[in-house]
Amino acid sequence: QITLKESGPTLVKPTQTLTLTCTFSGFSLSTSGVGVGWIRQPPGKALEWLALIYWNDDKRYSPSLKSRLTITKDTSKNQVVLTMTNMDPVDTATYYCAHRYCSGGSCYGVPFGYWGQGTLVTVSS
Amino acid sequence: QSALTQPPSASGSPGQSVTISCTGTSSDVGGYNYVSWYQQHPGKAPKFMIYEVSKRPSGVPDRFSGSKSGNTASLTVSGLQAEDEADYYCSSYAGSNNPVVFGGGTKLTVL
Repeated sequence: QITLKESGPTLVKPTQTLTLTCTFSGFSLSTSGVGVGWIRQPPGKALEWLALIYWNDDKRYSPSLKSRLTITKDTSKNQVVLTMTNMDPVDTATYYCAHRYCSGGSCYGVPFGYWGQGTLVTVSS
Repeated sequence: QSALTQPPSASGSPGQSVTISCTGTSSDVGGYNYVSWYQQHPGKAPKFMIYEVSKRPSGVPDRFSGSKSGNTASLTVSGLQAEDEADYYCSSYAGSNNPVVFGGGTKLTVL
């Protein structure tokens, strides 16, 4: 059974750096084809993809946020960490991590099949 | 502003069918057969319902179907049920440097 859970601060101040951790079970990020992504959703608004990391340490970032994001993995701890610098009130959102599996060797358009419950991060002074 | 355009709302009565559109460009929806659809109930995480335009994962009722024509993908929910009331998001592959783009979401109301 695949599960994911996000953790991190619920409140950050403007200009601070946000660090979120996704702790997962039921799969390994050392297994070929496996990826973990981060997606956020401001209150009452749409989903926005942020970043992806794959088993082979291939990393992808949203072009609009690339300069502020870093995604890393710790395979031994079954964790993926996302950092976002220079936080602003517009970054207030629920942040989700999610699992995807690249079947047949292709990662194009693979859906996020399993999602964490999400964690709400508020940016305010 | 989301990369993919969806109508903000859609509605139908129980038993009816409703179709939700998702319009992109030739760089995303039109260029690849990699459109996914997600269902999200209030306060819950999204759940994927359709992938690769029209494929259903196990456990998703066959009342949910997907299609694509040109730069527009569509999700059709047939035989509407009360539990189908939720927000629906489309997503598409848009190239190796932008592998995931989402639509703005559509709130489906079952009247």
